[in-house]
Amino acid sequence: EDQVTQSPEALRLQEGESSSLNCSYTVSGLRGLFWYRQDPGKGPEFLFTLYSAGEEKEKERLKATLTKKESFLHITAPKPEDSATYLCAVQWGAQKLVFGQGTRLTINP
Amino acid sequence: EAGVAQSPRYKIIEKRQSVAFWCNPISGHATLYWYQQILGQGPKLLIQFQNNGVVDDSQLPKDRFSAERLKGVDSTLKIQPAKLEDSAVYLCASSTIKGQGYTFGSGTRLTVV
Repeated sequence: EDQVTQSPEALRLQEGESSSLNCSYTVSGLRGLFWYRQDPGKGPEFLFTLYSAGEEKEKERLKATLTKKESFLHITAPKPEDSATYLCAVQWGAQKLVFGQGTRLTINP
Repeated sequence: EAGVAQSPRYKIIEKRQSVAFWCNPISGHATLYWYQQILGQGPKLLIQFQNNGVVDDSQLPKDRFSAERLKGVDSTLKIQPAKLEDSAVYLCASSTIKGQGYTFGSGTRLTVV
């Protein structure tokens, strides 16, 4: 069965403390891997799409990387406003996304 | 560019009652999705439309859930009768026919009591 697993489930960091979130997948025929940010009471907000192993994308303090079996979301020198749930999703076949359970990130000032 | 619009934002109903949610996708997006997100979990696809045809409804509980997309634009998701386990956020998303520009609405939070 195609699966997407994110780790850790929750992560608490101090402001400025860099770390990485992991997304591993077993989907065959990957069309794209998506990262979303979700704030409480809101819908997921698009961050990145990665299409092939070795690809990297950056946005402010975030950098996403992709290998054949997993993706990492690196957060460099995070700020309290980076606190959110980060969702990973894989896309294959007829465009639908299959999501992991998310990582709840808390940045303490 | 206007985003994906959903209404209502919140709904509280008693079990066995019916409820309907509405979604207006981004203009020009041929594909529309309804996802269910239970607290603490990632979104799960319920149904996918391409224009006004159903592409995937394999995870839609068809004995109680129904959805339609008239004229290939707006969509309505209905639950009848609701169960306690239907309490969740119902997210609508849309994309181009090739799966680009995948954008989510703010969702409808349903509480079944």
